[in-house]
Amino acid sequence: KAGVTQTPRYLIKTRGQQVTLSCSPISGHRSVSWYQQTPGQGLQFLFEYFSETQRNKGNFPGRFSGRQFSNSRSEMNVSTLELGDSALYLCASSSMGGLAGGPRYNEQFFGPGTRLTVL
Amino acid sequence: KQEVTQIPAALSVPEGENLVLNCSFTDSAIYNLQWFRQDPGKGLTSLLLIQSSQREQTSGRLNASLDKSSGRSTLYIAASQPGDSATYLCAVVQGGSEKLVFGKGTKLTVNP
Repeated sequence: KAGVTQTPRYLIKTRGQQVTLSCSPISGHRSVSWYQQTPGQGLQFLFEYFSETQRNKGNFPGRFSGRQFSNSRSEMNVSTLELGDSALYLCASSSMGGLAGGPRYNEQFFGPGTRLTVL
Repeated sequence: KQEVTQIPAALSVPEGENLVLNCSFTDSAIYNLQWFRQDPGKGLTSLLLIQSSQREQTSGRLNASLDKSSGRSTLYIAASQPGDSATYLCAVVQGGSEKLVFGKGTKLTVNP
């Protein structure tokens, strides 16, 4: 079974530009979450989508947005890039449909990440 | 607001040593707790998931325990190897959400 895939793996942008990152979850997984990882702040939750609906949102400005498609693939967009947006962006998927109460219910699996550098 | 703390921030041990990594969380109303491993510049690899109703999980040389009432989890690594060198992260999920709240991690170095 293929894991979580993210594209592109690396991106270099300049301030003021916008960027779109893509995440394909494990087949059958309907929940996709996004995280930003920086050396100073660690891993911070951006948002979570389930069945094309945003269910939770972290404390990030409106420049950060996302969406999920009917095939569960998800994209996140960052507009008007700032230097501080340089980070590793990680996406995670989980089944949320496994055997409730089972030992691996709601286990989350991460992709390799997209390294965004803003110059 | 849930806060997760991992101690120590860094740990260096000789090969073959057994070791314990600690994780504490402030709100005991968690749904589950997950331990991850991260190699430099890479994504996270899931190691163990402990449901709130469980006390421990084991996978190979790894054993994770959970004490919800005290807000603590430990990851025990037996007979450490240089390949275990990585950053270990613990994260908790609270009910009604898939949101993981992470600690800052423990950077482990196992010296040959």
